[in-house]
Amino acid sequence: EAGVTQFPSHSVIEKGQTVTLRCDPISGHDNLYWYRRVMGKEIKFLLHFVKESKQDESGMPNNRFLAERTGGTYSTLKVQPAELEDSGVYFCASSPRTGTFDEQFFGPGTRLTVL
Amino acid sequence: KQEVTQIPAALSVPEGENLVLNCSFTDSAIYNLQWFRQDPGKGLTSLLLIQSSQREQTSGRLNASLDKSSGRSTLYIAASQPGDSATYLCAVKNDYKLSFGAGTTVTVRA
Repeated sequence: EAGVTQFPSHSVIEKGQTVTLRCDPISGHDNLYWYRRVMGKEIKFLLHFVKESKQDESGMPNNRFLAERTGGTYSTLKVQPAELEDSGVYFCASSPRTGTFDEQFFGPGTRLTVL
Repeated sequence: KQEVTQIPAALSVPEGENLVLNCSFTDSAIYNLQWFRQDPGKGLTSLLLIQSSQREQTSGRLNASLDKSSGRSTLYIAASQPGDSATYLCAVKNDYKLSFGAGTTVTVRA
């Protein structure tokens, strides 16, 4: 069974440009999460989808970030326009059910560098 | 707001020595706790998951304990090897989200 995949693995963009990150969860997992780690900080929660619905987006830093999960399968996270402080590693995770005891399975992350 | 602290921030030991990594959290109303390993430039590898009702979990040379009431978990790695060199992250689950510590970077010297 394939794990969580993320694309691209690395992205280098100029300040002001737009970047879209993609996450493919484990097949059949209804729950999808985005996290990020910026330099020198802990990994922080961004948002949580259950199927195509946003359940919690309390961790989204500002309105330059837009996450979607059309059809309840893969998800995209768009940053527009990108700022220097957006640089970091963006992780996606998925879990099978909405139960709070489920383990979250993480993807390899996308390293974003904004110049 | 959940705060997760990992001590020490870094650890260097000779090969063969046992490792003890500590994690503390402020809100004891957790559902579970996960220990992860992260190698440089790589993603997160889940090592152990302890449900809130459990006291410990074991996998090979790894053993993790959980004292939910006091807000503490400890990861023990027996007979360390150079391949154990990595950053170890502790994460606790409240509701649906994980809160992470900053990690302990371990170096095992051959």
